[in-house]
Amino acid sequence: DTAVSQTPKYLVTQMGNDKSIKCEQNLGHDTMYWYKQDSKKFLKIMFSYNNKELIINETVPNRFSPKSPDKAHLNLHINSLELGDSAVYFCASSPWTSTQETQYFGPGTRLLVL
Amino acid sequence: AQSVAQPEDQVNVAEGNPLTVKCTYSVSGNPYLFWYVQYPNRGLQFLLKYITGDNLVKGSYGFEAEFNKSQTSFHLKKPSALVSDSALYFCAVRDIGNYGQNFVFGPGTRLSVLP
Repeated sequence: DTAVSQTPKYLVTQMGNDKSIKCEQNLGHDTMYWYKQDSKKFLKIMFSYNNKELIINETVPNRFSPKSPDKAHLNLHINSLELGDSAVYFCASSPWTSTQETQYFGPGTRLLVL
Repeated sequence: AQSVAQPEDQVNVAEGNPLTVKCTYSVSGNPYLFWYVQYPNRGLQFLLKYITGDNLVKGSYGFEAEFNKSQTSFHLKKPSALVSDSALYFCAVRDIGNYGQNFVFGPGTRLSVLP
């Protein structure tokens, strides 16, 4: 019954590596998001896509590149991983970008960069 | 710019007692307000939202929240706490008039319900 799924659940990697996190939603939503939750639990939006098009790109290093092959998927690719990238990354989706719409979150991907 | 404050990092309450988790917000226009809960090692789950209408909003698991425009607050409440309510609670705001703005989340409040 998973509505928003992410893979992998855990990711441990070395500094300098390139990695990807995948996100899929089966809710038929038009809009998808990526959030970063740091060690203090602060949650901050990174990107927002509507129907495969980027609509929000917060101040995020260009080492982070989202890719949306279709409106049900929004993957996050990270180049040249740094220690500070260690965090929990959450994918979310909502029916469209109307401001009243509820967002539905995936279970998170715990990234640890060594 | 939008902002959300949750003035308490931690709230402790005994099981069966009423609980309140506080949230205040700042937006340039009118707000849409949300509460989410995060259980350990899980994603955020939607609890309730205020869009318009009645200032008292009822949500999942017996939670409710009251929108107070004059105090710019949206406190989360439950009449009788359960141990299973122990989790991290996030308040979030969106500015109605600001299409390009996304959710801004508060820093979270950890609720511990003691048996």
